[in-house]
Amino acid sequence: QGQLVESGGGVVRPGRSLRLSCAAAEFSFSGYSMHWVRQPPGKGLEWVAVVWNDGADKYYADSVKGRFTISRDNSKNTLYLQMNNLRADDTAVYYCAREGITSTGFYSYAMDVWGPGTTVTVSS
Amino acid sequence: EIVLTQSPGTMSLSPGERATLSCRASQGVATRFLAWYRQSPGQPPRLLIYATSYRASGIPDRFSGSGSGTDFSLTISSLEPEDFAVYFCQHYGNSPHSYTFGQGTKLEIK
Repeated sequence: QGQLVESGGGVVRPGRSLRLSCAAAEFSFSGYSMHWVRQPPGKGLEWVAVVWNDGADKYYADSVKGRFTISRDNSKNTLYLQMNNLRADDTAVYYCAREGITSTGFYSYAMDVWGPGTTVTVSS
Repeated sequence: EIVLTQSPGTMSLSPGERATLSCRASQGVATRFLAWYRQSPGQPPRLLIYATSYRASGIPDRFSGSGSGTDFSLTISSLEPEDFAVYFCQHYGNSPHSYTFGQGTKLEIK
């Protein structure tokens, strides 16, 4: 089915940087698009970014465009999120998630495997 | 950008009852781009339904999805204790590529 585990969260001051990692296991990582989704405390889900399976295409939410960079290393089965110029409203639990593939081989446009999340707190 | 509005914000029901949750899009969307998730406290979301009506792997048949155009719904035929959680709908848009979540519906025990 697949497993994902995020790491790299912590407390950081506004304007600083942080890099999150997501280790994938038990599935063919290089065959899937991968996402970052975040959830501020007590609030709903916000999609952050997606990277295609080969890393060639990346797309971002407007709220993070120009500050965050999604990347992947398929040789290490790892997804990354480089977060620069962090702001207080970036405080959230950050999840990595896999975009599913249907039984007929098409993208499902939905996220079928999620990690437990890593917490990022931006505070002075 | 498409906005998803879920209703009601909170729903109070008893175990064994039927629940119907609504997700309305600000403009018409393709059925293959609409999904539903359940999130229990302290847990990541779990995919329930993709492409409006297809159950994800391991999801019991008490969950069903339907809809088209701007109006979509998730129905739980008979509520189990683990179903009392928050539910999110989600849409994929391809111009530009983006993913949007509704604000959520909390299903609580009456």
